[in-house]
Amino acid sequence: NAGVTQTPKFQVLKTGQSMTLQCAQDMNHEYMSWYRQDPGMGLRLIHYSVGAGITDQGEVPNGYNVSRSTTEDFPLRLLSAAPSQTSVYFCASSYGQGGETQYFGPGTRLLVL
Amino acid sequence: AQSVTQLDSQVPVFEEAPVELRCNYSSSVSVYLFWYVQYPNQGLQLLLKYLSGSTLVKGINGFEAEFNKSQTSFHLRKPSVHISDTAEYFCAVKAGGGADGLTFGKGTHLIIQP
Repeated sequence: NAGVTQTPKFQVLKTGQSMTLQCAQDMNHEYMSWYRQDPGMGLRLIHYSVGAGITDQGEVPNGYNVSRSTTEDFPLRLLSAAPSQTSVYFCASSYGQGGETQYFGPGTRLLVL
Repeated sequence: AQSVTQLDSQVPVFEEAPVELRCNYSSSVSVYLFWYVQYPNQGLQLLLKYLSGSTLVKGINGFEAEFNKSQTSFHLRKPSVHISDTAEYFCAVKAGGGADGLTFGKGTHLIIQP
């Protein structure tokens, strides 16, 4: 199993550009989520999904869009990048939405100029 | 809503010494509690978790944590640390029965000095 994979590993964008951060898991997990990590802030939840076709907002959803057409994939879209979105983004998945262990991907470092 | 406070942003400790990383949480509902570790330039890895039952939880790499409901704490301990334990440690909570994700503390950087 590859676990949770994320692409790209690193990306530089200009303000106003759009891009999609990819996340895939091969563990047949129903629950997937996106977090951003900023220095001194810990991780904050952006969006999550409890299954294909179902998504919901987390703590910091503004400026981000998600969709879940398959169990395996959960892409995160930045519609118009802003410098405030410079961060490290982590995707995570788990079998369920209770106390199950969430497995994290290696992260995507995004720099918005 | 839940919140997590990690009381120390940085903890220096000598190799082979014991360490305790402190975590307090706030929640109006029952919660699940987690400790994750992040090594430099990597994702997060679960150390241990408390769901129910025994309040002393043992995890990987010799770490353990104790859930204290009255003090709303979930402190992480290791009796003897190694250089390889140098990392960022995150405490997290999740509302029992809730669909939203983990609420993380701001992290504690554990620095092991030789």
